[in-house]
Amino acid sequence: DTAVSQTPKYLVTQMGNDKSIKCEQNLGHDTMYWYKQDSKKFLKIMFSYNNKELIINETVPNRFSPKSPDKAHLNLHINSLELGDSAVYFCASSRNSQITEAFFGQGTRLTVV
Amino acid sequence: DAKTTQPNSMESNEEEPVHLPCNHSTISGTDYIHWYRQLPSQGPEYVIHGLTSNVNNRMASLAIAEDRKSSTLILHRATLRDAAVYYCILRDGSSNTGKLIFGQGTTLQVKP
Repeated sequence: DTAVSQTPKYLVTQMGNDKSIKCEQNLGHDTMYWYKQDSKKFLKIMFSYNNKELIINETVPNRFSPKSPDKAHLNLHINSLELGDSAVYFCASSRNSQITEAFFGQGTRLTVV
Repeated sequence: DAKTTQPNSMESNEEEPVHLPCNHSTISGTDYIHWYRQLPSQGPEYVIHGLTSNVNNRMASLAIAEDRKSSTLILHRATLRDAAVYYCILRDGSSNTGKLIFGQGTTLQVKP
């Protein structure tokens, strides 16, 4: 069983479209995250949720909206996609927001054309 | 969060030990030192973390300088599977956000 799973693994879409990336963790963790890795391989946190509540929003455009229907899921919806949104998006989870061992998913490679 | 400095790249031979250095001269008393690695086409993977004392686990050892301004991740016997980007990260132990700030890391190449 994959601990943190993301779908889809690859996503190619046109500018202006709206898309969602789903993330699920089966570890029973309270805290989930979204990270973005750009073309230069820099990994940067975007959002963090603890028990379905937003605790980090790192100056991400409003076009990005995370949604946590329950503590095992943290989905990322992106409106009006732009070329610059092309990146690999990683979901992660940790037991709680003070525990430092985070488990990452395999990533979703988003390509906007 | 305090910054870390790592070499951009290192090379190692298979089955030899690897010492990956990290400088963190502005570390504060509550900062924990974490190491993650990212294998090609995968998400980052937790390796080890410590505060003051040296730490060992099944993956690696972490040696922390007495003044805590530097640390070294030690892979005791490198395998081809250890080829990855290794990130040294400082995280404030009093923080309750779980946020990790990744730098550029060290790309480790392992030669057969």
